[in-house]
Amino acid sequence: DQQVKQNSPSLSVQEGRISILNCDYTNSMFDYFLWYKKYPAEGPTFLISISSIKDKNEDGRFTVFLNKSAKHLSLHIVPSQPGDSAVYFCAGTYSGAGSYQLTFGKGTKLSVIP
Amino acid sequence: ETGVTQSPTHLIKTRGQQVTLRCSSQSGHNTVSWYQQALGQGPQFIFQYYREEENGRGNFPPRFSGLQFPNYSSELNVNALELDDSALYLCASSYDQGANTGELFFGEGSRLTVL
Repeated sequence: DQQVKQNSPSLSVQEGRISILNCDYTNSMFDYFLWYKKYPAEGPTFLISISSIKDKNEDGRFTVFLNKSAKHLSLHIVPSQPGDSAVYFCAGTYSGAGSYQLTFGKGTKLSVIP
Repeated sequence: ETGVTQSPTHLIKTRGQQVTLRCSSQSGHNTVSWYQQALGQGPQFIFQYYREEENGRGNFPPRFSGLQFPNYSSELNVNALELDDSALYLCASSYDQGANTGELFFGEGSRLTVL
């Protein structure tokens, strides 16, 4: 049972345009969501997060939107740059776990074309 | 400030063997988590160690075990290796298992191939 789903394995975007990466979740207990970015041969690096009490969080070119009723979140990157080309993982967690037990999606590979 | 380091980076084992993977946490971090990332999948939580005790475990059999040492470094041990254990094993460190920001700092991983 996949609790976090990223239904687009890949996405190609022109440099300067907006990249929108989507993520759906099924576990209603999740109260915190994160996006991680992974380059080849490197570990995932934290990008941005959002608490379930918010519907938007912004950090520079990156914005995450959360729609709790739809159990859907999205990551917007504006403007997209070639250095953003990487695999992006969406993850959910819940405070009752008592540990950093993140549940990840399968990832979306973003390619930003110069 | 040193980041999370893992060793070895690559290794090959045969079915039935045992393997030990090592992780040094980022300076100042007292919590270590281990994740398994199979090909084409997202990282999957194995377990977490906080103050040398396991305080969270994912859906992995007992042949996956771990240790955390007083300096907060950690080991992941896998016994009776199976072909499906072939994966990238990621170690992640954080400060205080209960802070619930969820932000983990990952190492580059250990790529295990089981033949």
